[in-house]
Amino acid sequence: RKEVEQDPGPFNVPEGATVAFNCTYSNSASQSFFWYRQDCRKEPKLLMSVYSSGNEDGRFTAQLNRASQYISLLIRDSKLSDSATYLCVVLNDYKLSFGAGTTVTVRA
Amino acid sequence: DAGITQSPRHKVTETGTPVTLRCHQTENHRYMYWYRQDPGHGLRLIHYSYGVKDTDKGEVSDGYSVSRSKTEDFLLTLESATSSQTSVYFCAISESRQGEYGYTFGSGTRLTVV
Repeated sequence: RKEVEQDPGPFNVPEGATVAFNCTYSNSASQSFFWYRQDCRKEPKLLMSVYSSGNEDGRFTAQLNRASQYISLLIRDSKLSDSATYLCVVLNDYKLSFGAGTTVTVRA
Repeated sequence: DAGITQSPRHKVTETGTPVTLRCHQTENHRYMYWYRQDPGHGLRLIHYSYGVKDTDKGEVSDGYSVSRSKTEDFLLTLESATSSQTSVYFCAISESRQGEYGYTFGSGTRLTVV
């Protein structure tokens, strides 16, 4: 079983829409959680950390459910520039484990 | 933004040849990592380093070795390249072991083994 599993999508949404997706992780002892963004053929970049109480960064909201071992990301008022692959990332034993990514395409 | 560079950016090599990829950082970060990225798998950790001459294996280390003789350089060597090692290789650096400030990734090396 993979340590981090994500729905690969793609999620095709119009500009201004809200899109949300989850990932699940297998290790209940995972220490920290993150969302990274990766543009086509580019390196991943940190989007935001995910805290137990949930957190927002502008149009992005991340939630963590430790009991069910899943993490979610919600994007409000989608922009064309939000088109990317979003990687769910979990810290296990001080090493990051990456999901395969969820692709989001925002259309005009 | 480029405190980390990878070289080469692209390489085509023949099966059975040794290949060395270089990761160079100017951030003086202690922690460095090599990942490979393949469709459907996400990034998988090959090797990592917690300091000079302090390295350890990740989840997909077979066929790879690393060296870190200086803080700024982390080398990944494919001892005898195979077609299954065709991939995109990313180096990453981190200020802390927990990675709470995020890993900074290099731009990647696209390696094709023919």
